[in-house]
Amino acid sequence: GENVEQHPSTLSVQEGDSAVIKCTYSDSASNYFPWYKQELGKGPQLIIDIRSNVGEKKDQRIAVTLNKTAKHFSLHITETQPEDSAVYFCAASETNAGKSTFGDGTTLTVKP
Amino acid sequence: AAGVIQSPRHLIKEKRETATLKCYPIPRHDTVYWYQQGPGQDPQFLISFYEKMQSDKGSIPDRFSAQQFSDYHSELNMSSLELGDSALYFCASSRSGTEQFFGPGTRLTVL
Repeated sequence: GENVEQHPSTLSVQEGDSAVIKCTYSDSASNYFPWYKQELGKGPQLIIDIRSNVGEKKDQRIAVTLNKTAKHFSLHITETQPEDSAVYFCAASETNAGKSTFGDGTTLTVKP
Repeated sequence: AAGVIQSPRHLIKEKRETATLKCYPIPRHDTVYWYQQGPGQDPQFLISFYEKMQSDKGSIPDRFSAQQFSDYHSELNMSSLELGDSALYFCASSRSGTEQFFGPGTRLTVL
């Protein structure tokens, strides 16, 4: 089955700095890669996703890159704000309607 | 916009009891997924349904069963509860071929 590894497990940055979270996956059949933000006591919230026919996608301060050959994808958050503090999960699935395999999560702390 | 609804939000049970968790997907969504999230862990896929039929199965114990009803809501039935079943249980829904939207979760505590 699919195995997703995520690094780092914790990340602390100063407000205004950039944050980068990296994930690798094992199943070459995976073709959909969502990123979720989870705040304490809440469900994961989809913040951005990318499909395997795209190398990069950007939405305001958030961008995701995908290297399908190397089987890794990354989340980039620029101009971080304290409200970006949360746990971020990457995930991979074979189709965007299939089950998702999650990474272990990254706890991001943005210091004012 | 309407979101995924889960009930109850909190549930406390004794060992060996049974529990039923309910999920109401976003209107017009035809696929429901169940995930289990232990403390400090990532969500683990349990089972999914598409158009009321089981579509995929993950690490769901034999003590658990689930179904999707004609109105597309889904229920996760858990029997012979164990201490290790204490976790957050999330339901997510999607319209076939689109993103999964997660509900707020049910926190199950087994004493």
